Amino acid sequence: DTGVSQDPRHKITKRGQNVTFRCDPISEHNRLYWYRQTLGQGPEFLTYFQNEAQLEKSRLLSDRFSAERPKGSFSTLEIQRTEQGDSAMYLCASAWGFGLAKETQYFGPGTRLLVL
Amino acid sequence: GEDVEQSLFLSVREGDSSVINCTYTDSSSTYLYWYKQEPGAGLQLLTYIFSNMDMKQDQRLTVLLNKKDKHLSLRIADTQTGDSAIYFCAAENYGGSQGNLIFGKGTKLSVKP
Repeated sequence: DTGVSQDPRHKITKRGQNVTFRCDPISEHNRLYWYRQTLGQGPEFLTYFQNEAQLEKSRLLSDRFSAERPKGSFSTLEIQRTEQGDSAMYLCASAWGFGLAKETQYFGPGTRLLVL
Repeated sequence: GEDVEQSLFLSVREGDSSVINCTYTDSSSTYLYWYKQEPGAGLQLLTYIFSNMDMKQDQRLTVLLNKKDKHLSLRIADTQTGDSAIYFCAAENYGGSQGNLIFGKGTKLSVKP
């Protein structure tokens, strides 16, 4: 396995359009995280899945954002009616863990979104 | 909730040691991490330390943890130009149902030949 992959790597869209990003985690990992990183900032947590269940959503995740992980493997993050403020790098991370036991999150290369 | 602070810039000469500092607020964070990000790339895990340790060494990397002061540092020995990148300190946040990571803003390390 070569690690976490994300597609596309870059996306340019016009304001008001919908966009969808895909994340393929490391195959044996049961946990999947989405983060957003804006210029000059560290990544900020958006949402988290354990298997197919979405267990936590940040207040950063407005109702225009939706994430799914239908079969507990790959995940998609959709942004509807994009706004210029959505321009950022969207990072996916995966991990193997149970409860509060130690886990290590491995990050993908990110999808850079530019909303014009 | 957890807050993580880092200095924003560090410049060193090739061959010198680099020390990147980080402070955090939530003493319940069990693990603390250092990630490296090169331009246009995702984050690469460098190392982590468990909160009951005060030091961890991994080749050229040394992590020091002062739990009383909630201070974490990353020392890179014999810094090379390839070490130029942004370094993020991250702490686990158990405020929600699971330990998502809270990141600092990153320290940009510039290594001059």
